[in-house]
Amino acid sequence: EPEVTQTPSHQVTQMGQEVILRCVPISNHLYFYWYRQILGQKVEFLVSFYNNEISEKSEIFDDQFSVERPDGSNFTLKIRSTKLEDSAMYFCASMGAGSYEQYFGPGTRLTVT
Amino acid sequence: RKEVEQDPGPFNVPEGATVAFNCTYSNSASQSFFWYRQDCRKEPKLLMSVYSSGNEDGRFTAQLNRASQYISLLIRDSKLSDSATYLCVPVRGGSNYKLTFGKGTLLTVNP
Repeated sequence: EPEVTQTPSHQVTQMGQEVILRCVPISNHLYFYWYRQILGQKVEFLVSFYNNEISEKSEIFDDQFSVERPDGSNFTLKIRSTKLEDSAMYFCASMGAGSYEQYFGPGTRLTVT
Repeated sequence: RKEVEQDPGPFNVPEGATVAFNCTYSNSASQSFFWYRQDCRKEPKLLMSVYSSGNEDGRFTAQLNRASQYISLLIRDSKLSDSATYLCVPVRGGSNYKLTFGKGTLLTVNP
């Protein structure tokens, strides 16, 4: 069964450093998303991406965040200068055309020290 | 008013019990509805999609009442492995299909 994969599973970084979180969506999917979940809180939408551009972003997704689909398979989230409050689980999700069902990857736990 | 409201629980039930979760949503433009389950520190996993009045899959039954803006999920013959947080997620068309999660309902099935 096809699945979304994410790397790394855990990333520890120092405040102010740049991090890149990687995702490989399901191969024939066209819509891509990033969500995050701070420990003990609900899952929050960050950004949606379709047709090689951002289709919507939340207030959380400020200038420190960017997304890219550098090739036909990877979808990345970059945080330019991490803050302590960026510590969270980051989930990638993808969705096929004609379906509203989003499938999530296992997440990357980001710890900013 | 919150986009989604669910009883936060926790629900503690014995194995074999039937348990029902209720969910109300505020946006009448919501077109699609999903139940996800999330285990502790894991990703949300799609459990059921509800496009019309309801859906059934084995021990799980979801019902939708658009007039009342209400969705339910019924789990019959609950198993220990059903222990998780259950999340009701409505989706609006034209919203880039982003999912808006609440905190969900925590279910613990006890032996």
